[in-house]
Amino acid sequence: LAKTTQPISMDSYEGQEVNITCSHNNIATNDYITWYQQFPSQGPRFIIQGYKTKVTNEVASLFIPADRKSSTLSLPRVSLSDTAVYYCLVGYSNYQLIWGAGTKLIIKP
Amino acid sequence: NAGVTQTPKFQVLKTGQSMTLQCAQDMNHEYMSWYRQDPGMGLRLIHYSVGAGITDQGEVPNGYNVSRSTTEDFPLRLLSAAPSQTSVYFCASSYASGTYQETQYFGPGTRLLVL
Repeated sequence: LAKTTQPISMDSYEGQEVNITCSHNNIATNDYITWYQQFPSQGPRFIIQGYKTKVTNEVASLFIPADRKSSTLSLPRVSLSDTAVYYCLVGYSNYQLIWGAGTKLIIKP
Repeated sequence: NAGVTQTPKFQVLKTGQSMTLQCAQDMNHEYMSWYRQDPGMGLRLIHYSVGAGITDQGEVPNGYNVSRSTTEDFPLRLLSAAPSQTSVYFCASSYASGTYQETQYFGPGTRLLVL
């Protein structure tokens, strides 16, 4: 049974790099990993997506090791406005998405 | 381009009442879905659709009905509201690539309180 597991919460400080790791068993070649960000009273918002190795965009990086059983979202130089819940999910064939339970990230001054 | 819109933003129902939550998207996405999010919890899939005329159940479908008569609209009907259905409801849409969903775009949510 496919499952996506991530830490419940994390704390960090402004200016630090934050890494959130997600484990996902039973992932096939064409399945992909996506991370979303959610602020209170808003819908989730796409951050980054990847299949393997490393993906970088203007807000984050995504590291996926060769076995693809885990992935790490990296947020460089976080600020107070990065305080949010971050969701890892895996996209499987047959339109299935398995969402993690979310990681509540709190950034302190 | 409005993206994904949901109405109403907030609704109060009495137990046993029925209502329809509206969702519309203007991005010509094939895939649409409804999630519920209980306080402090993650998202749970209620129903989804891979195209007009095609719907299927998600993780928590009981007490809800959907239909997809057009590509743009995907209403969610509560048949007989119960306090356990108090939640925030999110609609999402995405392109489909083969049998995979692409990036999902979420609406702003509907807050539902059932008394």
